[in-house]
Amino acid sequence: AQKVTQAQTEISVVEKEDVTLDCVYETRDTTYYLFWYKQPPSGELVFLIRRNSFDEQNEISGRYSWNFQKSTSSFNFTITASQVVDSAVYFCALSEARLTGGGNKLTFGTGTQLKVEL
Amino acid sequence: ETGVTQSPTHLIKTRGQQVTLRCSSQSGHNTVSWYQQALGQGPQFIFQYYREEENGRGNFPPRFSGLQFPNYSSELNVNALELDDSALYLCASSEGDRARETQYFGPGTRLLVL
Repeated sequence: AQKVTQAQTEISVVEKEDVTLDCVYETRDTTYYLFWYKQPPSGELVFLIRRNSFDEQNEISGRYSWNFQKSTSSFNFTITASQVVDSAVYFCALSEARLTGGGNKLTFGTGTQLKVEL
Repeated sequence: ETGVTQSPTHLIKTRGQQVTLRCSSQSGHNTVSWYQQALGQGPQFIFQYYREEENGRGNFPPRFSGLQFPNYSSELNVNALELDDSALYLCASSEGDRARETQYFGPGTRLLVL
């Protein structure tokens, strides 16, 4: 069974601090996909990034960066110079390659609440 | 904005009633997935529809059912509502049903069962 663990329930930082959100996953699949989503108070899940299991290059997008390490089954997310607008719940998710009868689903972690204060 | 819309935004029902939630996919997407998110938890997969057929189901009882229409919009129906059904219901659309497909989420429907 697939599993995603986000051990950090809540993180509070002061604006301009860097912050890293941890994600550890379990899967038996050799091909899989990892995602990060942001959920602001409005509730909508906003897609941030997708990474496949064959690409271990780190990725940077503006203030956001992601560190994928297959050896430790981790896909961590760093926000540099955090801003108040970054306050949200962040979810890491794993895509299962196949369900019975086909299809795919996302297995989510429990999320990390990030609070950025002035 | 993902282009995925859901209605209604909020709903209050009483135990034992039935409810229908609706979702319109992003243009060009033929796959819709439904998730239930209880307060303080991550979303849990309910089921997925691909080209109008159910294409996978999570650990939810048969009183959770759905439909996908030829225009790829979708409905989630829940019968015999229970208090524990109170949650945010999210639908997501994607271009296909393969693992690599990114699922784009709508704003959700908040259901309260009294």
